[in-house]
Amino acid sequence: ILNVEQSPQSLHVQEGDSTNFTCSFPSSNFYALHWYRWETAKSPEALFVMTLNGDEKKKGRISATLNTKEGYSYLYIKGSQPEDSATYLCATYGSSNTGKLIFGQGTTLQVKP
Amino acid sequence: NAGVMQNPRHLVRRRGQEARLRCSPMKGHSHVYWYRQLPEEGLKFMVYLQKENIIDESGMPKERFSAEFPKEGPSILRIQQVVRGDSAAYFCASSPLERVVAFFGQGTRLTVV
Repeated sequence: ILNVEQSPQSLHVQEGDSTNFTCSFPSSNFYALHWYRWETAKSPEALFVMTLNGDEKKKGRISATLNTKEGYSYLYIKGSQPEDSATYLCATYGSSNTGKLIFGQGTTLQVKP
Repeated sequence: NAGVMQNPRHLVRRRGQEARLRCSPMKGHSHVYWYRQLPEEGLKFMVYLQKENIIDESGMPKERFSAEFPKEGPSILRIQQVVRGDSAAYFCASSPLERVVAFFGQGTRLTVV
C-alpha cells in the first residue's frame, strides 16, 4: 500500500505571507512526483512533475523541491495572493509499477486579503 | 485541442439503478485514470486503463463497479445497482504516455436518491 501524506491539511494566511507545505511518500521504487493545484469548481491542474533528487522547479511565485532519499517534497508560495487559494495535491506512482498515480489528501490554502 | 471531457456533469440516480459515466480523453491520449472524491476526502484511485486494457483496477470495489476504454469512443465507468454510498464526484484524467503529467476532466457528480 502506498501512502502519500500531506501536511498541514489546511492553512489560512494573510495576503503577502509566504507559506510552504509538505508531501511525504515512500522513498523506495520512486519514479516521479506530481504537484497539482485544484481550485473550487474546477479540475485539478498540473503544476510540476519532479523526478530527480534535489530537483527544484519554479513557476512564478510557486516553487517546489524534492528529496527522494528521505521521501518528501516541499511546495513554497512566496507572497501569497487571494488567487492562490486552492487545494494543492501531490501524487506519485504506486510501488506495483503499473503506472497508477496515487494522490495525497491535499493541503487547502486560504489566503485572506 | 479540447481538454478531457466528462459527461454528464451531474447525474441523479435512484437506488438500484445503473450509472454510466463517460470520459473522453484529450486527443492523442491513450491512458485514462478514474478517481472518486467522497465528501471531505481527497482523490481516491479507482482504475487505470489503456486502450482496450485494464492495467490496474486495485482501487475498484469488487462488486457493481466496472470500467472500460474501448478502441473507439470514450472510457466508461459503470456502477450497477447504485446505493447512497456511491454518491460522490468521479474524476477522470488522461495522459499520452505512462508516467507523465495527467490532465483532468471537470468531474461527474453522482447523487443517489
